Order: sequence, then C-alpha cells, then structure tokens
Amino acid sequence: DAKTTQPNSMESNEEEPVHLPCNHSTISGTDYIHWYRQLPSQGPEYVIHGLTSNVNNRMASLAIAEDRKSSTLILHRATLRDAAVYYCISYSNTGKLIFGQGTTLQVKP
Amino acid sequence: GAVVSQHPSRVICKSGTSVKIECRSLDFQATTMFWYRQFPKKSLMLMATSNEGSKATYEQGVEKDKFLINHASLTLSTLTVTSAHPEDSSFYICSARIPGPYNSPLHFGNGTRLTVT
Repeated sequence: DAKTTQPNSMESNEEEPVHLPCNHSTISGTDYIHWYRQLPSQGPEYVIHGLTSNVNNRMASLAIAEDRKSSTLILHRATLRDAAVYYCISYSNTGKLIFGQGTTLQVKP
Repeated sequence: GAVVSQHPSRVICKSGTSVKIECRSLDFQATTMFWYRQFPKKSLMLMATSNEGSKATYEQGVEKDKFLINHASLTLSTLTVTSAHPEDSSFYICSARIPGPYNSPLHFGNGTRLTVT
C-alpha cells in the first residue's frame, strides 16, 4: 500500500468547513483512497472513499487531485462530534488497510 | 447500527494468564477478518488476517504462538493472547468487510481494552 502523509493536527471552529489534506504521491492507478476517523476509545469509523472522481456522502466530501497524488477530505460544517483522528489510506487490492499516523482534528466551540 | 461486534470491551487479567477476544460479523458472512492493536496515542497496527477455515496470516514481527487466531465460522473470529504480560496491554480492534468489491470499506468493532497486571 502506498504511503500517505497527513498533518499531525488541525484546528477548526464549530460550524465552519474543514479541509483535511492528504498526500499519496506514490499511489498506483488502481489504489483507492479511503478515509476513516476514530473517536477516543472507539474503533475506526468509515467516512468516505474514492478512486478518481470527487465523492460526496452524508458525512463528508472527498476531493481527489487530477494526478491523484493528493486528496482532501471536506467536512462542510464541523461539529464538536467531528473531533477525532482522521486517517487517509491508500488502499490496494491486498485487502488490508494499513493505517498511517492520521490527523487529529480539534473543533473549538 | 454496528455491523461488527467485539467482546469484551474491557478485560483485566493477571500476568501469565490467557485472554480470548471475540469478533462477530452481524448479519453478514465474513470470510476474512483483520486484527489490529493500538497503543496509547499511536496509530493502529495490523497484526494478522483471519481466514475462515484456514490459518491466519500474521504480519511481520507478530508472534503467532502468542496471538492465536481462530476463525471457525463465517461470523466469528477469536484472538487469544496467551500467557499475557504487561507489555501486551493494549487496545485490540477487529474489522471485517461486508462481501462486495475489494474496495468496499472495512467495518470495525469497538475494540477491547486489555490490561495485564
């Protein structure tokens, strides 16, 4: 699985949009980009995934660069419940998810 | 609702004893499950892939005789930490994928906090 790079931490204000970046410059053409988040003392939770096109779901949006070397997870209106560690994973057909260090998101009221 | 159930959520055991952790897929069959461990303030580390009806595949550096994995049915995988020691204290998390394309997301249990005294 290709290595991903994320900032260690980010801050946001409640009700404002949050853009969480991820670099995956060695991604191969068939690797999907998955995002998960983990609240304290819980297992990770799936957020969104995509291959080439931008994706939207009820939780977030995923913007994928045209060259696929980076992507951005967008939370449109951050809430206090969105405070978590967000993991960006370049996922290949090995079936295994290999987690990097993730970004700790703090949301300020 | 939860699609992967993990039990127990917390366990405290004495050094030298063994502890079994269960991971169940709810309402779907999982031929493959994954076991992770996580130390405080650290990321998840994949320990092994549990395969129904066959031996588990362990990641490099994970002792298979220490962490016994049994995937006896399509909905249940168990991880047994044998002869536990304080350094085995950690957060253990299992996951499974609802059958579908290989890129479909993993669903995770809520983890088991193991404390070895």
